[in-house]
Amino acid sequence: NAGVTQTPKFRVLKTGQSMTLLCAQDMNHEYMYWYRQDPGMGLRLIHYSVGEGTTAKGEVPDGYNVSRLKKQNFLLGLESAAPSQTSVYFCASTNTGVGYGYTFGSGTRLTVV
Amino acid sequence: DQQVKQNSPSLSVQEGRISILNCDYTNSMFDYFLWYKKYPAEGPTFLISISSIKDKNEDGRFTVFLNKSAKHLSLHIVPSQPGDSAVYFCAATGRGGSNYKLTFGKGTLLTVNP
Repeated sequence: NAGVTQTPKFRVLKTGQSMTLLCAQDMNHEYMYWYRQDPGMGLRLIHYSVGEGTTAKGEVPDGYNVSRLKKQNFLLGLESAAPSQTSVYFCASTNTGVGYGYTFGSGTRLTVV
Repeated sequence: DQQVKQNSPSLSVQEGRISILNCDYTNSMFDYFLWYKKYPAEGPTFLISISSIKDKNEDGRFTVFLNKSAKHLSLHIVPSQPGDSAVYFCAATGRGGSNYKLTFGKGTLLTVNP
């Protein structure tokens, strides 16, 4: 099915470990985003990309890095995980002219212990 | 500084009645507004949107109203159905930019009781 696929769906990390979350979309969308959702905080933008090879910081970028080497993939990296990064992470993509109707992935639930 | 505010964390209504979810914004540069619906363990899905040049947009049972002077928008669901039970997020953007970033509210949990 066309859409946004996030892997993994669940992960438990120890403090200080690193990991990469993968987001893949098959809709040829230019724009991709990483959000985190925390209880009572809504969705907050971590990083985003307006095209292949470009990335930019969002609202809460500290502790994360991203890369967009291929148009269809947007990777979110945690170099040294902290308990404060325990969250549900959502990737989204969109194109111009679609009324900002982001397509979201189903999320990655990350727990840092 | 919260630019999009959903002041009601939860709302409970009876099946068949109207559900009204509210959203306020503070950024005068916002000119496009959207509502997303989210079920547990799923990603948000786009529901309906409205441009600042309009004051109402309707799609089936869902209607969004925009009051620019009050910086307020609302989502009306009529009639409400149990399947509408979900978290609803209000989102906003300023289309003058080129990054299409959305700023989301904290969400309102709607429960529709049979």
